[in-house]
Amino acid sequence: NAGVMQNPRHLVRRRGQEARLRCSPMKGHSHVYWYRQLPEEGLKFMVYLQKENIIDESGMPKERFSAEFPKEGPSILRIQQVVRGDSAAYFCASSSGGTDTQYFGPGTRLTVL
Amino acid sequence: DAKTTQPPSMDCAEGRAANLPCNHSTISGNEYVYWYRQIHSQGPQYIIHGLKNNETNEMASLIITEDRKSSTLILPHATLRDTAVYYCIVRVANYGQNFVFGPGTRLSVLP
Repeated sequence: NAGVMQNPRHLVRRRGQEARLRCSPMKGHSHVYWYRQLPEEGLKFMVYLQKENIIDESGMPKERFSAEFPKEGPSILRIQQVVRGDSAAYFCASSSGGTDTQYFGPGTRLTVL
Repeated sequence: DAKTTQPPSMDCAEGRAANLPCNHSTISGNEYVYWYRQIHSQGPQYIIHGLKNNETNEMASLIITEDRKSSTLILPHATLRDTAVYYCIVRVANYGQNFVFGPGTRLSVLP
């Protein structure tokens, strides 16, 4: 049973470009969470999605960031007009609901030049 | 979610048991204790969780005090590959509840 998959693992963007990060949850999981980890800091919750619905986006920056989890395909975290402060590791986790143990992917490391 | 307190760092000799403490004195009756670890810059790895009974799996044991105000994660025979940051998190076990990661304990397993 494959775990949570994220791609790309490393992404380099110039300031002002768009970054798209993908997350495929574990098989059978319909709940997806995105977290961000800035250098030398802990993980911070960003957004929680179920298929076709954003349930909790209380941790998302108000501008430039968006997330989706379509009926088919992976969840996408999109960052428009990236700035250097967006450089971080972005982790996706998935769960099946119920008691909701979350399983994390390997992360995408975004570097903004 | 209740706040947890962990020592910032610990050392353990390879092959010995690593005992990582966590205080959660304000834990509510419906909150579980979860442990995750993060090895270097990898994604957090689930270790174990429990409500009030002690739990054991292939990775570790979780001992929760009777009043539930503290717990200990035990790695019975630590190896160099167990060097990581260990996070103790308490939260309600409902879907949709995000995990709040504190600074954790940086465990160094020494040869």
